[in-house]
Amino acid sequence: GAGVSQSPSNKVTEKGKDVELRCDPISGHTALYWYRQSLGQGLEFLIYFQGNSAPDKSGLPSDRFSAERTGGSVSTLTIQRTQQEDSAVYLCASSLVGTGGQETQYFGPGTRLLVL
Amino acid sequence: AQSVTQPDIHITVSEGASLELRCNYSYGATPYLFWYVQSPGQGLQLLLKYFSGDTLVQGIKGFEAEFKRSQSSFNLRKPSVHWSDAAEYFCAVGEVAYALNFGKGTSLLVTP
Repeated sequence: GAGVSQSPSNKVTEKGKDVELRCDPISGHTALYWYRQSLGQGLEFLIYFQGNSAPDKSGLPSDRFSAERTGGSVSTLTIQRTQQEDSAVYLCASSLVGTGGQETQYFGPGTRLLVL
Repeated sequence: AQSVTQPDIHITVSEGASLELRCNYSYGATPYLFWYVQSPGQGLQLLLKYFSGDTLVQGIKGFEAEFKRSQSSFNLRKPSVHWSDAAEYFCAVGEVAYALNFGKGTSLLVTP
């Protein structure tokens, strides 16, 4: 079946603009995750959705970052008033479940964001 | 502070040689441990994971990793490297499996 898809694959924006990044998880996966991979850095956990539970937003770096998941499927990560330090690859992953420790996260190809 | 360290930024091995990629972590308790691989133009793919039980875990593509509590390490090994193994390898650690802390990655180059 289809894997995790993300759009756009690349996004160039000007400092101060808002951007929206989209993630389509694998069908049937109840858990969805967002990560950020900055140049020369490892992946940084941003936010986690599990079913209808309140999301774990503990990784969001500032209040300019927000995410929602509509209908338990597609998710949108929004960055308001983008800054140059927001430039990174934003990765989305999904898994069958989010608890129990047995789930495997399947990653999308990422959205490469460049803020000029 | 919780951290994951991959000491080697780049590693070069000859095809057919053995490989060991290092991963050290700093966590209060035994965390969940993962190794992922990212090939050029590809998404991250899970190689193997450790949650509990046998400290030597087998993964896909002939990889294995050993959890050593006393050393806070989870090193990845392969007895004979193939050219197709050239990629970026990430160790990931988390107190919960959904909030992973990734290392900065080790880039593997395989020479003929």
